Amino acid sequence: AQSVTQLDSQVPVFEEAPVELRCNYSSSVSVYLFWYVQYPNQGLQLLLKYLSGSTLVKGINGFEAEFNKSQTSFHLRKPSVHISDTAEYFCAVILNSGGYQKVTFGTGTKLQVIP
Amino acid sequence: SAVISQKPSRDICQRGTSLTIQCQVDSQVTMMFWYRQQPGQSLTLIATANQGSEATYESGFVIDKFPISRPNLTFSTLTVSNLSPEDSSIYLCSVKAGGLSYNEQFFGPGTRLTVL
Repeated sequence: AQSVTQLDSQVPVFEEAPVELRCNYSSSVSVYLFWYVQYPNQGLQLLLKYLSGSTLVKGINGFEAEFNKSQTSFHLRKPSVHISDTAEYFCAVILNSGGYQKVTFGTGTKLQVIP
Repeated sequence: SAVISQKPSRDICQRGTSLTIQCQVDSQVTMMFWYRQQPGQSLTLIATANQGSEATYESGFVIDKFPISRPNLTFSTLTVSNLSPEDSSIYLCSVKAGGLSYNEQFFGPGTRLTVL
C-alpha cells in the first residue's frame, strides 16, 4: 500500500520569502501526485498535479512542484509567498495501476505567512 | 471539474442526537465520497457512495453510525448518528471528475460539526 509523509506540520515564513513544503511517498508501483490547499473554513482545492511527462509541474497561485522519482518526493515550492497563502497544504497520491484507486493524503502542512 | 455545495456549513449538536449533511453537485457523477477531517488531522475516507448501490464503508466506519443515501447522480446525504464529542470534525463530500482515467477528486466546502 502507498503512504504519504509530510514531515513539517507547520511552516512559518515571512511575506515575500520563498517556501518549500516537503512531501515524500512510498509505493511499489507508479503513482499520480497531487497538492491540495485548504484555506481556513473551506474545503480542499487542487493546486497542481503530476500525472506524467515533465517532472516540474506548475499550478495555481504561483506554486510549482517537482517530481523526483529517485527520491520519491514531490516538494511544493513558491519563490515569494503572500499573506493570502496562509493555509493548510495536503500532499496526496493515487496508484497508477488502472481502475479506481483510493486517494491517500498526507497529514498536512500549515503554512503561516508572517507580515 | 465539478462544483459541490454542502449543507449545513456548520452546526452545533447535542450528544446523542444526529446530523444529516447534504451534498449537491452541479453535474452528474458516478462516484461520491465522504471524508472526515478531525481537528489537526488529515482526511480519512468514511465511505464511497455510488448511485444505485449500497455505500462501501472503510475499516472503522459502519453503516449504523454513518448511514448514507445516494438517491440520484447529483445528490447524497451523510448522517452522523448518536453523536458524541469525538464526532466533532469537518465532514467533506467529494466527487470523482468524469472522463478521467485516474481518480482526481473535487471537494465541497465541508460541514464543521461540533458536538457538546
